[in-house]
Amino acid sequence: DAKTTQPTSMDCAEGRAANLPCNHSTISGNEYVYWYRQIHSQGPQYIIHGLKNNETNEMASLIITEDRKSSTLILPHATLRDTAVYYCIVRAQTGANNLFFGTGTRLTVIP
Amino acid sequence: NAGVTQTPKFRVLKTGQSMTLLCAQDMNHEYMYWYRQDPGMGLRLIHYSVGEGTTAKGEVPDGYNVSRLKKQNFLLGLESAAPSQTSVYFCASSYWGRGGNQPQHFGDGTRLSIL
Repeated sequence: DAKTTQPTSMDCAEGRAANLPCNHSTISGNEYVYWYRQIHSQGPQYIIHGLKNNETNEMASLIITEDRKSSTLILPHATLRDTAVYYCIVRAQTGANNLFFGTGTRLTVIP
Repeated sequence: NAGVTQTPKFRVLKTGQSMTLLCAQDMNHEYMYWYRQDPGMGLRLIHYSVGEGTTAKGEVPDGYNVSRLKKQNFLLGLESAAPSQTSVYFCASSYWGRGGNQPQHFGDGTRLSIL
């Protein structure tokens, strides 16, 4: 699995867009970029994933660079409930698809 | 639709005791996983299952056993608990859909302390 690099922590003002970067320079052609978050020791929550095209759902947008070596998760209007640890994971969709969770980015949304 | 349910939510054991953690999912998912999470760290895979009656080792399987007798249940056993197994245990499940193995759904965790 490709290794990912994320900043340890970030702050974002409530109501503003939160942009969380992730570097995955060794990503392979069949590997997807997944984002999960974990709110205060709850179980991780799936947010979004993508292969090469930008993706959007009701929670967030995922922007993947053309060379696929990095990506950005965008929470368009951050709320206090978005305070969590965000994990960027790169994994193929074949096989058992177990996930490698690094230490993630701790996002704090500030009132 | 409850999703992934873990039982119990909290437990304190003495060293050497045994116990079983239960994970149940009602989404008819083929794949199920057990992870552990230690303070300040990400999740690490203990064991997983790709279907009823099959199990496989993950990254940190020592000291644990698992069984998948029914598709909806995945049991994690500690035969002789050790303080190093104090952790939060998460169960997850996923299904095989168009494009491959789909994102995992997680339970709320079991907080286990070994004294």
